[in-house]
Amino acid sequence: DAKTTQPPSMDCAEGRAANLPCNHSTISGNEYVYWYRQIHSQGPQYIIHGLKNNETNEMASLIITEDRKSSTLILPHATLRDTAVYYCIVRVEFARFGAGTRLTVKP
Amino acid sequence: DAGVTQSPTHLIKTRGQQVTLRCSPKSGHDTVSWYQQALGQGPQFIFQYYEEEERQRGNFPDRFSGHQFPNYSSELNVNALLLGDSALYLCASKNPGQGDTGELFFGEGSRLTVL
Repeated sequence: DAKTTQPPSMDCAEGRAANLPCNHSTISGNEYVYWYRQIHSQGPQYIIHGLKNNETNEMASLIITEDRKSSTLILPHATLRDTAVYYCIVRVEFARFGAGTRLTVKP
Repeated sequence: DAGVTQSPTHLIKTRGQQVTLRCSPKSGHDTVSWYQQALGQGPQFIFQYYEEEERQRGNFPDRFSGHQFPNYSSELNVNALLLGDSALYLCASKNPGQGDTGELFFGEGSRLTVL
């Protein structure tokens, strides 16, 4: 299974866009990129997923590079409630999570 | 529509004991996966059940076993508990027929402490 690499932590000012990067250089052609987040010991929450086109929903936008080796999750207007650990995973079946990025949104 | 529900939410056991954790998937979901999440780490895949059979297993010893019932609910059993088994155990369910796509819905987890 493709492995993902994320920075361990990031800060963002409230109201600004949060851009969370993920490297998945060994992704296969038919594997989707998924993003989840986990707020303090709650169960992970689905955010968005995509294959090769950019995707947007009510929570976030997902930008996938043309070679599909990396992606960026964008929270357009971060709020304090977006403080969480964000996980980027490849292939939701038997999903394997890394340590994720701890995003702290500051007032 | 209830989401994924897990019980108990918290429990404390001692080394060598056995524990059973329970999960009810989201309505309409037939696939259940179990994860172990140690403090400060991401969830680690234990196994997945579909049609009452274990479909795939992660790198966990045989002390970890599971079961899926005809109503799609599932149990995770851990025998001979070790201190290192202390963790948040998460259950996730998935919509049938979506294969490798579609989102996993997670429960809030069962926090196990082994003393």
